[in-house]
Amino acid sequence: DVKVTQSSRYLVKRTGEKVFLECVQDMDHENMFWYRQDPGLGLRLIYFSYDVKMKEKGDIPEGYSVSREKKERFSLILESASTNQTSMYLCASRTGGWNTQYFGPGTRLTVL
Amino acid sequence: GENVEQHPSTLSVQEGDSAVIKCTYSDSASNYFPWYKQELGKRPQLIIDIRSNVGEKKDQRIAVTLNKTAKHFSLHITETQPEDSAVYFCAASPNSGGSNYKLTFGKGTLLTVNP
Repeated sequence: DVKVTQSSRYLVKRTGEKVFLECVQDMDHENMFWYRQDPGLGLRLIYFSYDVKMKEKGDIPEGYSVSREKKERFSLILESASTNQTSMYLCASRTGGWNTQYFGPGTRLTVL
Repeated sequence: GENVEQHPSTLSVQEGDSAVIKCTYSDSASNYFPWYKQELGKRPQLIIDIRSNVGEKKDQRIAVTLNKTAKHFSLHITETQPEDSAVYFCAASPNSGGSNYKLTFGKGTLLTVNP
C-alpha cells in the first residue's frame, strides 16, 4: 500500500520565519509534487520533481523553493513566510505512465 | 501549458438522483484523465481514470466519458448516496515522460447529496 506522509498536520509560524515542510513516499516513485489548496482555487502546483536533484516550477512558485536530495523525500521551503502563504499544503507522488498519483494527508500552515 | 476548466463549482442533488460533472482541457497532448474525490478533512483519492484510447469507462455507479475531438470529459455518478458528498477534481496529463508527468487539476466541484 502506497504511503505518502507529511511531517506535520498543523503548523503555526510567524511572518518572516523560514518554514520547512517535509514529504516522504515509500513506493520508489520518480515524480513528487507540492500543491497548495485554497477554497475556490482548487489544487495549484507549486513545484515538482521528476528525479533526484531535479526540480521544475509549477504554476505558483513565487516565495517557495524545494529540495530533493533523496528519491523518497521532497521538501518545500518558505524562505520568509508571509500571511498570504497561509494555506493547506499537499504533497503527492507518482510513477510515470498511466499510474495513480497519491496524496499525503496535508499540512495546514497558518502564518501569523 | 495545459488549462483545465471544471463545471459546475457546486452541485446539489437528491439521494438517488444522478450527478454529472464536466471538464474541458486545452492541450491536445493530454492523454490521461483521472478523477479525484476529496472528503472533508481528507486527502484527495483517485476514484476513476480514463486513457485517451478509450471513450468510456465504468466502475459500479461511476462512469467517465471522454471526447478527444471536443477536448472534454465528464464524470457521471448514478444512484447518488449521502457518502458521495465530497469535492471532486478532474485532471489532465500528457504521458510523454520526463518532466511531463504533472497533472493539471480543475478547480473542483462540491457535490452535496441530500437525504
